Amino acid sequence: DTGVSQNPRHKITKRGQNVTFRCDPISEHNRLYWYRQTLGQGPEFLTYFQNEAQLEKSRLLSDRFSAERPKGSFSTLEIQRTEQGDSAMYLCASRGLASTQYFGPGTRLTVL
Amino acid sequence: AQTVTQSQPEMSVQEAETVTLSCTYDTSESDYYLFWYKQPPSRQMILVIRQEAYKQQNATENRFSVNFQKAAKSFSLKISDSQLGDAAMYFCAYRSAGGGTSYGKLTFGQGTILTVHP
Repeated sequence: DTGVSQNPRHKITKRGQNVTFRCDPISEHNRLYWYRQTLGQGPEFLTYFQNEAQLEKSRLLSDRFSAERPKGSFSTLEIQRTEQGDSAMYLCASRGLASTQYFGPGTRLTVL
Repeated sequence: AQTVTQSQPEMSVQEAETVTLSCTYDTSESDYYLFWYKQPPSRQMILVIRQEAYKQQNATENRFSVNFQKAAKSFSLKISDSQLGDAAMYFCAYRSAGGGTSYGKLTFGQGTILTVHP
């Protein structure tokens, strides 16, 4: 266990529905990252928070995606009007002052 | 933009033997970090080993060591005395050490599935 938690671990939804995932980072880490991993591939960067500020967003993050980190603690990632192409593992990672990112177990999203 | 390439989709090794996983990367930066992460089936991704580009000495963590060739942009992982618990997907990752807008995001390779045979 790395100390980063994510909920839910699995989410099955129908196309067109909205879903929200939560990430709780290691408490003293002020940097938080979201990645998306499709089957058999490496994770791809989605977005980055430093404290509560969202400082970088990948072009992978379409306007149907939104992320927040209120008060610089936990973070949420919401996908609106889900599409089958959104099916993937969504990973959260946190980092303190050191260079190492610690990953959560991920949320596996299946869009039917 | 940086890219990371793992040219071995799958590797296998006998228990107690040694295996080397390959990784190459492309960057124009001089200061960066390289990582190997392990992702067991349906389990959390964990850090195996880290290398700072400014350090010439290769990193070592117990049975895991790297061969970092900066000029060749190569970063291979050697696992000695392989154990059944080493079976996993292994990812090589790059992170810029510079400031500005890099913000420390990781760029991953495609991964190598390692099978360990008893």
